[in-house]
Amino acid sequence: DQQVKQNSPSLSVQEGRISILNCDYTNSMFDYFLWYKKYPAEGPTFLISISSIKDKNEDGRFTVFLNKSAKHLSLHIVPSQPGDSAVYFCAASANSNYQLIWGAGTKLIIKP
Amino acid sequence: KAGVTQTPRYLIKTRGQQVTLSCSPISGHRSVSWYQQTPGQGLQFLFEYFSETQRNKGNFPGRFSGRQFSNSRSEMNVSTLELGDSALYLCASSLLARALYNEQFFGPGTRLTVL
Repeated sequence: DQQVKQNSPSLSVQEGRISILNCDYTNSMFDYFLWYKKYPAEGPTFLISISSIKDKNEDGRFTVFLNKSAKHLSLHIVPSQPGDSAVYFCAASANSNYQLIWGAGTKLIIKP
Repeated sequence: KAGVTQTPRYLIKTRGQQVTLSCSPISGHRSVSWYQQTPGQGLQFLFEYFSETQRNKGNFPGRFSGRQFSNSRSEMNVSTLELGDSALYLCASSLLARALYNEQFFGPGTRLTVL
């Protein structure tokens, strides 16, 4: 039973447009959410996070939105750049448990 | 400074064999965590070592084991390999145990293929 789901295996977006990556979770105990970015032949790198006490966190071109009632979060990238082409993982944790639960990832392709 | 290094980068084994993977953390980091990533799945936590002691363990069978040396380098071992063990094995290092996630740095991984 996947507690963190990224239902879109891939997403293609025009350069300069907005990229929206989605993530759904089932465990209401999750209170901390993260996005990681992974290039081929490299390990994941931390991108941005959000605590359940907030509904939005912004860092430059990256914004994460959290909708607790819908158990849904999304990552917005504006504007999308070629270097954003990568696999994006959503992950979540519950305060009482250090372990992260990861989604399967979404491959983002930015078209020139 | 040098990042997290993992060796070998690629490995092909047959069912029933055993394998040992190595991870060298960033200099000064004392915590090493191991993860398994299979196609269509997110990263699955295997275990975490800090100062040569296993601090945390995921839900994997006993065929998966690890250790950490006094220089913080870590190895993981998988015995009696099964086809389903084919995966990318990632290790991550951090200065402290249970580090904040933005302070955990991943290596490039070892791609294990079991035939």
